[in-house]
Amino acid sequence: DQQVKQNSPSLSVQEGRISILNCDYTNSMFDYFLWYKKYPAEGPTFLISISSIKDKNEDGRFTVFLNKSAKHLSLHIVPSQPGDSAVYFCAASVETSGSRLTFGEGTQLTVNP
Amino acid sequence: EPEVTQTPSHQVTQMGQEVILRCVPISNHLYFYWYRQILGQKVEFLVSFYNNEISEKSEIFDDQFSVERPDGSNFTLKIRSTKLEDSAMYFCASNFLGPTDTQYFGPGTRLTVL
Repeated sequence: DQQVKQNSPSLSVQEGRISILNCDYTNSMFDYFLWYKKYPAEGPTFLISISSIKDKNEDGRFTVFLNKSAKHLSLHIVPSQPGDSAVYFCAASVETSGSRLTFGEGTQLTVNP
Repeated sequence: EPEVTQTPSHQVTQMGQEVILRCVPISNHLYFYWYRQILGQKVEFLVSFYNNEISEKSEIFDDQFSVERPDGSNFTLKIRSTKLEDSAMYFCASNFLGPTDTQYFGPGTRLTVL
């Protein structure tokens, strides 16, 4: 299942700098996108979401951008903090046909002090 | 803050045995889900449940799997005859509005089938 893909398995940034995590999708029916953060031995924790009618959603240090024509979304974290170090998953769903979330592979973000 | 809880945190079983994984969703939520993550692979959808019946299931969710809401608080996943390839983290999730709402995940149960 390659409908949602995160091509970077890992990303390392310095504290205070911007972290940019990327996600691509192939299913043009997806209309709701989410980012989750996951620490070891815990379940995914919801971060931020965006509907396909928007191209940007912001919540504090987290901003998600959606480019529907490119079928691409990104998560920006500014400024990055060491506590942001975790695996980040993007997920997508088709709101009109059910609740199934389709996940990407995840990107391990490491923020160095 | 309310959260989804799951028990046990780790379950070890022999191949062919039945296991029941338990979840307590957030109390006012109406939609319940199971996902799994095999080591090194993606988180995969298994099943969604609403109004005491399955609303959607994936191709993974075959006759070996069943779900139940036996009372007002618990939501269970049963695997009738476990296989080695069922070894995975199993995550329960819940939300209030279903497709238009964020799903909140529990901490997971690690199932190891020997």
